[in-house]
Amino acid sequence: DAGVIQSPRHEVTEMGQEVTLRCKPISGHNSLFWYRQTMMRGLELLIYFNNNVPIDDSGMPEDRFSAKMPNASFSTLKIQPSEPRDSAVYFCASEPSGTGGLYEQYFGPGTRLTVT
Amino acid sequence: AQSVAQPEDQVNVAEGNPLTVKCTYSVSGNPYLFWYVQYPNRGLQFLLKYITGDNLVKGSYGFEAEFNKSQTSFHLKKPSALVSDSALYFCAVRDMNTGFQKLVFGTGTRLLVSP
Repeated sequence: DAGVIQSPRHEVTEMGQEVTLRCKPISGHNSLFWYRQTMMRGLELLIYFNNNVPIDDSGMPEDRFSAKMPNASFSTLKIQPSEPRDSAVYFCASEPSGTGGLYEQYFGPGTRLTVT
Repeated sequence: AQSVAQPEDQVNVAEGNPLTVKCTYSVSGNPYLFWYVQYPNRGLQFLLKYITGDNLVKGSYGFEAEFNKSQTSFHLKKPSALVSDSALYFCAVRDMNTGFQKLVFGTGTRLLVSP
């Protein structure tokens, strides 16, 4: 298995531009999580999906952030417009569901976003 | 609400010595506990977990952790540290009584193993 796949690995953009981060979870995993990691705030959960349905988006910082999961094998996190304070590493993780939470999450390699 | 605390920002240990990375948790029900490791410029990797049963859990790379219900702790340990163990370590908890699958992560502890 290729693991969780994220693209791009690095993104540099100018303030005000739209940024789209992509994630392909491990096949058969029904839960998907988006995290953001910064030095100041550590690892933050932004949103998570179960069976393609958003369950908890309370961590999404503001309306500039949106996430979708149109099917079981693909999710996007979009920032529009981007701001310098959005600079961070964004991780996607997936996990089998329906197991009572017994399983661990599998993380992708992350997307390092720099907004200038 | 569930939470986890990692009281040490950094732990320094000499190679060959035992290491301990501390974690305490707070949940309303039964905890599921996890340890992850993050190497530079990489995603988090699962090390081990406690679900139920034996309080001493063994995981990857020679790591183990001891679940202590009375002290609400889940400290990560290794008998003999390696320089290659130097990384960022995260403790995480899931409260199964909430019905949600959300994992709550600690702030992380940087482990530095000197030669």
